[in-house]
Parts: sequence; C-alpha cells; structure tokens
Amino acid sequence: DGGITQSPKYLFRKEGQNVTLSCEQNLNHDAMYWYRQDPGQGLRLIYYSQIVNDFQKGDIAEGYSVSREKKESFPLTVTSAQKNPTAFYLCASSIGGYGNTEAFFGQGTRLTVV
Amino acid sequence: SQQGEEDPQALSIQEGENATMNCSYKTSINNLQWYRQNSGRGLVHLILIRSNEREKHSGRLRVTLDTSKKSSSLLITASRAADTASYFCATVPYSGAGSYQLTFGKGTKLSVIP
Repeated sequence: DGGITQSPKYLFRKEGQNVTLSCEQNLNHDAMYWYRQDPGQGLRLIYYSQIVNDFQKGDIAEGYSVSREKKESFPLTVTSAQKNPTAFYLCASSIGGYGNTEAFFGQGTRLTVV
Repeated sequence: SQQGEEDPQALSIQEGENATMNCSYKTSINNLQWYRQNSGRGLVHLILIRSNEREKHSGRLRVTLDTSKKSSSLLITASRAADTASYFCATVPYSGAGSYQLTFGKGTKLSVIP
C-alpha cells in the first residue's frame, strides 16, 4: 500500500519548544517537500529536497529545519525561532521535478502552540 | 508569493449542476495543476495541463488553459455531494531551475447541496 505517511496527526507545542514532524514515503520518489497551510490560504513552501543529503529553502524557511538522510524520510523540525507555528503542515513527494509530474501528499499534521 | 488566484473564493451549487472555477496567474509557466482538498486532509492531484495544451479532460473534469490571458478554468460536470471540497490551482514556473517549485493559489471552496 504505497503512499506518504505523516505523523502525528495532531501535535501540541509549548512556547519555546522544538518539535519534529515526521514524513515517510514508500513511493521511491526522489523529491520531497514541506508546505505550510494557514486557514483560508493556499500552501506555502517551507523546504524541499531533490535528492538524499540535499535540500533547499522555500519561501518561508525561517524558523524551520529539515534533514534528508534517507530517501524515504524527510522530517521537519519547527524550532522556537518560528514565532507563529500554529498551522497545518503538509508533506509531499514527487518522482522528480514538477515539470511533468504531480505531487503526492500526506494527510497532514496540525500543530498548535499552547 | 502566491502565483495563482482562484475565483470565486466560494461556490455553492445544487447536486447535478456544473461547477466552474477559474485561476489566474502572473508569470510564464511550464504547467498548471489542479488539486482537491477535503476538509482537514491532504491534497489530491486532479489534472496537469502543460503550457502547450489548451484543454484536457479526465472523467467529469474539464480543464482549459489560456496562456495569452494567463488563466485556467476547471469545470466539474454533473456535480455530486461528494465533490464538496476546496480546489486549488498550482503553477510550475517556466525556468528549469524552478521545476521543484509548485506555487498554490488560495483555493475555491465548493459546496454541493444534495
């Protein structure tokens, strides 16, 4: 059963804490992405990775960090430097670039600061 | 920055009617993609149309692209209650370096009343 799995589905963070969101895919895709979605808004790109051990900043990378040590995994850490982290986070993957292919999305993690 | 802008922001129709959503964008594109998002879930890819294509069909979906006007439309025919969701257009920029960038609009929220 191929796909992208995000965990946890809901996450609560206290002020000043770092939290890590998990994203795993078994689609054998090279590219993986993290997006942030705020209510009534579209998706904004945080980070993306074209290949293992390589990643690039997206439009809103400040306060976030990622790693890509394995092809299947692309965890996102929301650091205490992110001042407004409450949002819906979506992970996606694609075979390569988007030139001829689409993104496959996970079911998302809703992060709330308490 | 958000490239695509969907119109209308919200649309409510009766089951069996057709639903038309529009998307405008600002810069040259490689392709344009439409996605669907059920409330609180991940996005699902619907259709990809390349810059040299004018129309594409997939089941009850019809997408048009007018690159001279930088606009696209998504038509859902004979709508069903299960079509209730938010629909997003997303663009891939023309330059090869940007092929990992998928820029989303804010979406159209479609409600289909049984």
